[in-house]
Amino acid sequence: GQNIDQPTEMTATEGAIVQINCTYQTSGFNGLFWYQQHAGEAPTFLSYNVLDGLEEKGRFSSFLSRSKGYSYLLLKELQMKDSASYLCAVKDSNYQLIWGAGTKLIIKP
Amino acid sequence: IAGITQAPTSQILAAGRRMTLRCTQDMRHNAMYWYRQDLGLGLRLIHYSNTAGTTGKGEVPDGYSVSRANTDDFPLTLASAVPSQTSVYFCASSDSDNSPLHFGNGTRLTVT
Repeated sequence: GQNIDQPTEMTATEGAIVQINCTYQTSGFNGLFWYQQHAGEAPTFLSYNVLDGLEEKGRFSSFLSRSKGYSYLLLKELQMKDSASYLCAVKDSNYQLIWGAGTKLIIKP
Repeated sequence: IAGITQAPTSQILAAGRRMTLRCTQDMRHNAMYWYRQDLGLGLRLIHYSNTAGTTGKGEVPDGYSVSRANTDDFPLTLASAVPSQTSVYFCASSDSDNSPLHFGNGTRLTVT
């Protein structure tokens, strides 16, 4: 079966750096997405990786290794507003999105 | 402001009742999707539509139906609601296979 694994919850300190990992086992691969979802709100798009390597976008970066079935989202200079759930999703060979259950990130002052 | 509008925002529904969740987008995206989100689970696809006039079943289609009469609207109908359909429902759209999804604000449905 297809599976996306990410930690259920992580805690970090304001101003620090946190890395949220995502491992996947899917039938084929056509890209990996990261979304941010604040409590009670809709998911919003953060990043997209289809080739191996690091994509940087301001304080957020996302890394992909297709051979290892692995990605991470790196958040730098953490702010209280970064407290949210972070969802990893992979497009399989049929371009269907497979979603992880999300990682709840708690930022402490 | 361009985007996706869902209605209602929340609803309490008696078991056995029929309910239609509305979804409208003004971005002229071809593909539209309905997901449900439950605590501890990833988003699960209910139904999707790649273009107006076509629909397909997702991972958890039972008890739900959709229609796509035009590009903008993609309503989701629960023919006879059951308590297990208590969830938050998100409508989403995208304009190509590798484009990110744009989500509506969700409908929180409680079936009693």
